[in-house]
Order: sequence, then C-alpha cells, then structure tokens
Amino acid sequence: AQKITQTQPGMFVQEKEAVTLDCTYDTSDQSYGLFWYKQPSSGEMIFLIYQGSYDEQNATEGRYSLNFQKARKSANLVISASQLGDSAMYFCAMRDHNTDKLIFGTGTRLQVFP
Amino acid sequence: DARVTQTPRHKVTEMGQEVTMRCQPILGHNTVFWYRQTMMQGLELLAYFRNRAPLDDSGMPKDRFSAEMPDATLATLKIQPSEPRDSAVYFCASGIPQLNEKLFFGSGTQLSVL
Repeated sequence: AQKITQTQPGMFVQEKEAVTLDCTYDTSDQSYGLFWYKQPSSGEMIFLIYQGSYDEQNATEGRYSLNFQKARKSANLVISASQLGDSAMYFCAMRDHNTDKLIFGTGTRLQVFP
Repeated sequence: DARVTQTPRHKVTEMGQEVTMRCQPILGHNTVFWYRQTMMQGLELLAYFRNRAPLDDSGMPKDRFSAEMPDATLATLKIQPSEPRDSAVYFCASGIPQLNEKLFFGSGTQLSVL
C-alpha cells in the first residue's frame, strides 16, 4: 500500500531564511507523481509544485523547490527566502499513476516569524 | 479563471438529518475526487470518479455515505443519516491526472453535525 509520511508536525522559520519540509513516501510502483500543496488559514488548497518519478531534474517553481531523492524515497520541499505569508499547513501528496489516486500526508504547520 | 465550485460553504445540521454536498468540477476535467479533512485523520480520500464512473469508494462509510455524478457538471456527496462524527471539511477536487496535472480543489464544505 502507498503511504506518505510527514514527520514534522510544526516548523518555525525566521523571515527571509530558507526552510525544508520533509516528506517520505512508500510505493512499489515505478511510475508515480509527487505534489506539494499549501493550505493557509482560509482553508483553500493551493498547488505548489510537482515532481514526476521519472524526472531527472528537481522541480522548481519560484521560491519553491523539491529535493527529490528517489533512492531514499524522499521529496522534501524547500522554501527559500521565507515570507510571513508562507505561514500555513503544507501537505505532501503522491499519485499512483495506475489508479490516479492522490493520497496525502498528515501535513506540517509552518510558522514564519519576523 | 476556471475553478471548482462547492456548495454549500457551510452547513449546520442536527444528527439524523440528510446532508447533500454539491460540486461543479472544471469543464473538461475527467476525474473528480471527494476528500474529507479532520484534525485527527487529516485528508482522507472518500471516493473518486473518472468520466463520471465511480472508480473507488472504499474510503467511504458505505452504510450512510453515497457519492454520485449525475452528469459531467455535477458531483454529489450525501450523508444519510448524519452523525456528529461526520463533522469535517469536505473537499471536491477535479483534474486530468493522465496528463500529470495538478488537482484543482474547491473551497470545501464545512459541515457541523450537532
């Protein structure tokens, strides 16, 4: 069975610093996709970044980058130059390319302080 | 911008009442998902459809929950009878997973069963 693990319930970071949010996954499939979503206090789910299992380069989207280490089955999110508006819950998710199911980790609450 | 529309945004009801939540997916998206979010369980996949056909509803309590897609513009999630433990935020999401695209989430329905 597929599983996503986020071991950090909460993280603190000072404004303008970089922060890494951890995500490990478990799957026996060769083809899968990894996602990160942000959920601010308003409750909406905002897509941040995507990494395919066959992508050789780490994905980047602006201040977000995904540190993909396939052998370790990890897909950590790196946020550079943190901003106060980055304070939110962050969810790692994995899609099984056979079934298209998207399953989520338990999330990490990030708080950015001045 | 195209978006997934969920109604109602908030619902307060008494135990034993029927609850119907509606979702209008983005036009052209062939896959629709229902998730439930609680503090204790996080984001749980309840059911999903591809081209209106139910693919998996194993995450749903069968005795009281039902999910349908009467047409391509409407997905419904019903709870009958509702119980206090059903209190949660219910999200609908749509996308075209086969194109390795992200899922677009609705704003959610905040359900409170008293």
